[in-house]
Amino acid sequence: KQEVTQIPAALSVPEGENLVLNCSFTDSAIYNLQWFRQDPGKGLTSLLLIQSSQREQTSGRLNASLDKSSGRSTLYIAASQPGDSATYLCAVRPGSGNTGKLIFGQGTTLQVKP
Amino acid sequence: GAGVSQSPSNKVTEKGKDVELRCDPISGHTALYWYRQSLGQGLEFLIYFQGNSAPDKSGLPSDRFSAERTGGSVSTLTIQRTQQEDSAVYLCASSPLLAGYTDTQYFGPGTRLTVL
Repeated sequence: KQEVTQIPAALSVPEGENLVLNCSFTDSAIYNLQWFRQDPGKGLTSLLLIQSSQREQTSGRLNASLDKSSGRSTLYIAASQPGDSATYLCAVRPGSGNTGKLIFGQGTTLQVKP
Repeated sequence: GAGVSQSPSNKVTEKGKDVELRCDPISGHTALYWYRQSLGQGLEFLIYFQGNSAPDKSGLPSDRFSAERTGGSVSTLTIQRTQQEDSAVYLCASSPLLAGYTDTQYFGPGTRLTVL
């Protein structure tokens, strides 16, 4: 059974710092991995999607990497800003079966202090 | 363009009552998903519809939960005889295709269900 774990559960940093969020998964047979952002009381916003054949994806100050063999992904946020404060969720789409369902980690709640 | 919409945004009900939650996916998206987010459980998959294929119901927690998707568009999640443990935020998502690089899931704002 696929399980997704995110470390740390919470993180507080001063503005301007670079930071890394970690995600690990138990079954390397994945189709893709997605990073989402969730603001309080809101839905999820997709940040980056990495296909199983890819190693990384970049969007602005965000860079996500994928090491499928070791079951790990990281989300790197450069020059953090207070507006980055949110909960970040990692999700994998299993590679087996004809389903698009996602399996989520518990999330990392990030606070960036001005 | 319009994103995924859900209604109602909040629903308070009494234990034992039935509730219906509605999801309007992004126009043209063939795949639709329901998830539940509750304290201590994180975000859990419930059910998935893709075109005319049989839905993947593997995440539904009990037979009190059911969902349908009419005309390949709007979906309704129904919870019968609600229990307090059903209290959660119910999120709907849609995506354009099953396979390929464009299967990013787009989420609605959710329906917060409180069962008293």
